Amino acid sequence: DQQVKQNSPSLSVQEGRISILNCDYTNSMFDYFLWYKKYPAEGPTFLISISSIKDKNEDGRFTVFLNKSAKHLSLHIVPSQPGDSAVYFCAARGLGGGADGLTFGKGTHLIIQP
Amino acid sequence: DSGVTQTPKHLITATGQRVTLRCSPRSGDLSVYWYQQSLDQGLQFLIQYYNGEERAKGNILERFSAQQFPDLHSELNLSSLELGDSALYFCASSARGGSDEQFFGPGTRLTVL
Repeated sequence: DQQVKQNSPSLSVQEGRISILNCDYTNSMFDYFLWYKKYPAEGPTFLISISSIKDKNEDGRFTVFLNKSAKHLSLHIVPSQPGDSAVYFCAARGLGGGADGLTFGKGTHLIIQP
Repeated sequence: DSGVTQTPKHLITATGQRVTLRCSPRSGDLSVYWYQQSLDQGLQFLIQYYNGEERAKGNILERFSAQQFPDLHSELNLSSLELGDSALYFCASSARGGSDEQFFGPGTRLTVL
């Protein structure tokens, strides 16, 4: 039973345009959401996060939007650059009991085309 | 470079064997997490240690165990290995826990033949 879902295994976007990566979750106990970026042969790298009490968080070219009623979050990258080509993982925290382990989606492979 | 180190980088072993994966967290980080990434399951949380004590368990099999030592490095022990245990194993660390950012190591690729 997947509690964090990224329904698009891959996404192709032209350089300079906006990339929108989507993520849905099912567990209303999640209170903190994160996006990680992963290059081949490396560990995931933290990108941006958002608390469940907010609906938007911005950091440079990256913005995360959270819609709690729809249990949906999205990552916007504007403008997209070639170095953004990577696998992006959506993750959620907060299943209670003091557990800080993250629940990850299966990832979306973003390809930025020149 | 996240500051989290993992050894070995690659490990090839046979079914039924036992292996130990090692993780050194970032300097000053008290929490260590272990994750498994397999082809079909994605990244799955296994277990968390905080300052030497087990803090939370995720989808960790009984054949697997972990510990965190006084110098805060951690080891993940995998025994009675099966073909399905072949995966990438990541260690992450954070300052304390909670909403502190988790920094991931480069991973150990385990292949069970």
